Amino acid sequence: GAVVSQHPSWVICKSGTSVKIECRSLDFQATTMFWYRQFPKQSLMLMATSNEGSKATYEQGVEKDKFLINHASLTLSTLTVTSAHPEDSSFYICSAIMVGQRYGYTFGSGTRLTVV
Amino acid sequence: AQSVTQLGSHVSVSEGALVLLRCNYSSSVPPYLFWYVQYPNQGLQLLLKYTSAATLVKGINGFEAEFKKSETSFHLTKPSAHMSDAAEYFCAVSEYGYNKLIFGAGTRLAVHP
Repeated sequence: GAVVSQHPSWVICKSGTSVKIECRSLDFQATTMFWYRQFPKQSLMLMATSNEGSKATYEQGVEKDKFLINHASLTLSTLTVTSAHPEDSSFYICSAIMVGQRYGYTFGSGTRLTVV
Repeated sequence: AQSVTQLGSHVSVSEGALVLLRCNYSSSVPPYLFWYVQYPNQGLQLLLKYTSAATLVKGINGFEAEFKKSETSFHLTKPSAHMSDAAEYFCAVSEYGYNKLIFGAGTRLAVHP
């Protein structure tokens, strides 16, 4: 089956610093990756959609300059939270779609970001 | 744009009782529909999906859901609840195949002895 590896699983950073989260498809090529944000006891909110080699498409209300998404290859997408602040603390989850959509959506295990 | 409404943010059932979690969707085109389960501090696990084939979909762990176009619903059921079913359940919809996936607000299922 398809596996998406997301790292780190948790991270604590100081306010004002940047944090990079990686989402890697281990055994398939992902044409499209999605990034979600989940606040405690809430649903997953889609932040952006990224296609390999092109700029990400952000959902309304998501700050493009704060949440930098790079999808440089068919197996790797990264989300960088720039100048993080406590309100950015959240659970971030990526999802990938395989070329040909054979397995549908494959989710990473998520990253718990805490900004202090 | 597609959307999902999950009726009931919290559902509580007795062990062995029927589980019914409600989901209604809005979509301008025939949708793909999904149910996911999430345990605390973990990612999502796919329970089942509807992708325009059979309207009654069977998933893992004894769960099933029925796509009803006339009611725009995709309710999740399980005949007999188990303690291990206690978790958060999300219904989700995508349009035009495997496109961006939009989630409902979630339903927390509690199972008591």
